[in-house]
Amino acid sequence: GENVEQHPSTLSVQEGDSAVIKCTYSDSASNYFPWYKQELGKGPQLIIDIRSNVGEKKDQRIAVTLNKTAKHFSLHITETQPEDSAVYFCAASKGNTGFQKLVFGTGTRLLVSP
Amino acid sequence: GAVVSQHPSRVICKSGTSVKIECRSLDFQATTMFWYRQFPKKSLMLMATSNEGSKATYEQGVEKDKFLINHASLTLSTLTVTSAHPEDSSFYICSAGKDTGELFFGEGSRLTVL
Repeated sequence: GENVEQHPSTLSVQEGDSAVIKCTYSDSASNYFPWYKQELGKGPQLIIDIRSNVGEKKDQRIAVTLNKTAKHFSLHITETQPEDSAVYFCAASKGNTGFQKLVFGTGTRLLVSP
Repeated sequence: GAVVSQHPSRVICKSGTSVKIECRSLDFQATTMFWYRQFPKKSLMLMATSNEGSKATYEQGVEKDKFLINHASLTLSTLTVTSAHPEDSSFYICSAGKDTGELFFGEGSRLTVL
């Protein structure tokens, strides 16, 4: 089955710096890659996603890149702010609808210091 | 984004009792919902896939008689933890699939069994 690895497990940056979180997946059939932000005591919130037919997607300060050949995808956050501090999870799934089971990475705890 | 509501957000119960957690998609219909369990500082572990009008599909190692799932309508799925014990204490999260292919998560329910 699919296996998703995520690095780093913790990431500390200064406000205004960029943060990059990387994930690799094992199943070449996976075609949907969402990223979630989870704040303490809350459920994950979808922040951006990408499908396998594109290599990059951007939404304001957040971008995701996908390398299908290498089977890895990354989350890029620019101009980080203290409110970006949270745990970030990558995930992968396959199928046409995206309702296939998501396999999550192990999470990255991002701390943005003022 | 779409809204998924989970209730209750916190519940404390005595060992041996049963607890029901509700997951509602407030502004869209979801034929598929998922239930996850999350341990402290860990990733989300998929427990089961809930399909409207049919039996849930449980992941390996998850006791279906212990964790009863009902998806009686396109906007509501329930998870009942039967005869709860302290080891069932955890953070339970649901997600609902929108027809765009995205998954949206509830806020989570923290169960504490005394």
